[in-house]
Amino acid sequence: DADVTQTPRNRITKTGKRIMLECSQTKGHDRMYWYRQDPGLGLQLIYYSFDVKDINKGEISDGYSVSRQAQAKFSLSLESAIPNQTALYFCATSDPGQNTDTQYFGPGTRLTVL
Amino acid sequence: GEDVEQSLFLSVREGDSSVINCTYTDSSSTYLYWYKQEPGAGLQLLTYIFSNMDMKQDQRLTVLLNKKDKHLSLRIADTQTGDSAIYFCAESGGTDKLIFGTGTRLQVFP
Repeated sequence: DADVTQTPRNRITKTGKRIMLECSQTKGHDRMYWYRQDPGLGLQLIYYSFDVKDINKGEISDGYSVSRQAQAKFSLSLESAIPNQTALYFCATSDPGQNTDTQYFGPGTRLTVL
Repeated sequence: GEDVEQSLFLSVREGDSSVINCTYTDSSSTYLYWYKQEPGAGLQLLTYIFSNMDMKQDQRLTVLLNKKDKHLSLRIADTQTGDSAIYFCAESGGTDKLIFGTGTRLQVFP
């Protein structure tokens, strides 16, 4: 079984709808991240959480919110989706106990906003 | 601010070597990474190098780090069609976050 899972894998929605993307991990890592990927732009950090009570904005947090329900779960919400939020979204985890800052990624959610 | 740059595309013939280049700006980065993204999948860590090293070799992969020029490269020897993917370099931004480059799409043709 995958260590980092994301649901749904694909979602098509309409402008103005509320959308939640979910991420779960079985790695036991404290740190979790949400990124979006756009062609030619690489990965941009939306939000990150270093533990259940610690949530921080990334580079592009406007229009997004997150919830860290438990160590293993980190959800990303779009309160009112707009077409320029069409992108590939990735969740990642990391373990501060490791010497490196290696992050482990989920398979991604492809979101299309019409 | 911190910035990581890569060329967007690289095309090589099967069996040749591929060299993917990356420049970064944060000289305080402790680690620099190469991630691979295959179609329809998330990023997977390929290799990383500690900032006090010049070179790291792992089977067909060779990572070269030039700290003076803030230049990182990934060489793939005997490139195969299965190596076709997007390759991202990343630096640890000194704040427990990773800064990713734009990704280089490697296409391997027969």
